[in-house]
Amino acid sequence: DAMVIQNPRYQVTQFGKPVTLSCSQTLNHNVMYWYQQKSSQAPKLLFHYYDKDFNNEADTPDNFQSRRPNTSFCFLDIRSPGLGDAAMYLCATSRPLVKSYNEQFFGPGTRLTVL
Amino acid sequence: GNSVTQMEGPVTLSEEAFLTINCTYTATGYPSLFWYVQYPGEGLQLLLKATKADDKGSNKGFEATYRKETTSFHLEKGSVQVSDSAVYFCALSGSWQGGKLIFGQGTELSVKP
Repeated sequence: DAMVIQNPRYQVTQFGKPVTLSCSQTLNHNVMYWYQQKSSQAPKLLFHYYDKDFNNEADTPDNFQSRRPNTSFCFLDIRSPGLGDAAMYLCATSRPLVKSYNEQFFGPGTRLTVL
Repeated sequence: GNSVTQMEGPVTLSEEAFLTINCTYTATGYPSLFWYVQYPGEGLQLLLKATKADDKGSNKGFEATYRKETTSFHLEKGSVQVSDSAVYFCALSGSWQGGKLIFGQGTELSVKP
């Protein structure tokens, strides 16, 4: 089945130690998103890629970076994790229609713990 | 600006009860509307959607109708099951915002046997 895959499902890191979360998709969608979600709050969009074009949200901290080496893969890098970065990180994809990005397909998420 | 407001949770129901989760929105233009469901420890799954006024989205016994006159997209189910326990998010998306999803705050549903 076509899907969005996130690895690992659970990640533990130490305060200040860089960490990378990965997302892959077999849907061949050209838009990929990264969200941060805390405690069953609504997901907060960090940034997204439209093909190779990177689009950062205005309030995303510089500590968060992203890479998309090809259509299928997208990475979230947290350069110096703080305790406040502990959260669920969700990857999503979509395929734009003529005038809209339409629905997004989400992966299962990576739960990040910062010690 | 564009926004989504959901009824606050948690909502606790007995099995086979009728469910309504209210959702209203503010948007310019004509957004698409969605309900996503999130089971504990998992990502979001699209439950249903409607892309224009008077459309009814339905899936797994859940329904929601896009009401432009009341700017609402209330989620309903006639008979809930324990397995419906989850957090439900109402969301909108439109071409004017690059297709980004604007989420409501989420409503936690707990169904007791």
